[in-house]
Amino acid sequence: AQKVTQAQTEISVVEKEDVTLDCVYETRDTTYYLFWYKQPPSGELVFLIRRNSFDEQNEISGRYSWNFQKSTSSFNFTITASQVVDSAVYFCALSELGGPGNQFYFGTGTSLTVIP
Amino acid sequence: DSGVTQTPKHLITATGQRVTLRCSPRSGDLSVYWYQQSLDQGLQFLIHYYNGEERAKGNILERFSAQQFPDLHSELNLSSLELGDSALYFCASSPPPAEGFGNQPQHFGDGTRLSIL
Repeated sequence: AQKVTQAQTEISVVEKEDVTLDCVYETRDTTYYLFWYKQPPSGELVFLIRRNSFDEQNEISGRYSWNFQKSTSSFNFTITASQVVDSAVYFCALSELGGPGNQFYFGTGTSLTVIP
Repeated sequence: DSGVTQTPKHLITATGQRVTLRCSPRSGDLSVYWYQQSLDQGLQFLIHYYNGEERAKGNILERFSAQQFPDLHSELNLSSLELGDSALYFCASSPPPAEGFGNQPQHFGDGTRLSIL
């Protein structure tokens, strides 16, 4: 079963529109971390945000905001007033603590296209 | 620039061959992770090393192996290559864990694009 589900495969919006990227995760752990990464057309993966399972406060960073809701196991990402430079594939990831090592579980990504 | 260096950037080879991908983590990072990104499989975790020791394995084929050296650089060896191994291979590193693995963001290199002809 997928531990991280990003149901939106592709989204297109017109510049200046707001857009929300959905992420639903599955874990039995009480302590875990959630992440969002951006992969622009150039290919590199860029870390955007980390959230631990005990902190349900929403976070805002400029035009970016994140809504973490444990009750629905969701960690959604909203871009306000989108810009062409926001066009990228966005990945949500889950990390479970504990154990001798660690692996990140990535969603399949949402490809966002911002049309000028 | 994430500080993670991967070489080579591109690799073209033939089926049945063997290649080695190299990764130098960010200064101070002890963990190295390898991922495979293909069009149909998304980003798949392969393996995690911490300070020279293998710590976790994901969907890594038996034809693939990795190691982390005392200077903390890591190599991913792919052998008996098949057409389906064509993908972008990422290395990521993260700092020492503060409270168990997994709470530190991973910083990714630019990847090695492997093409099997």
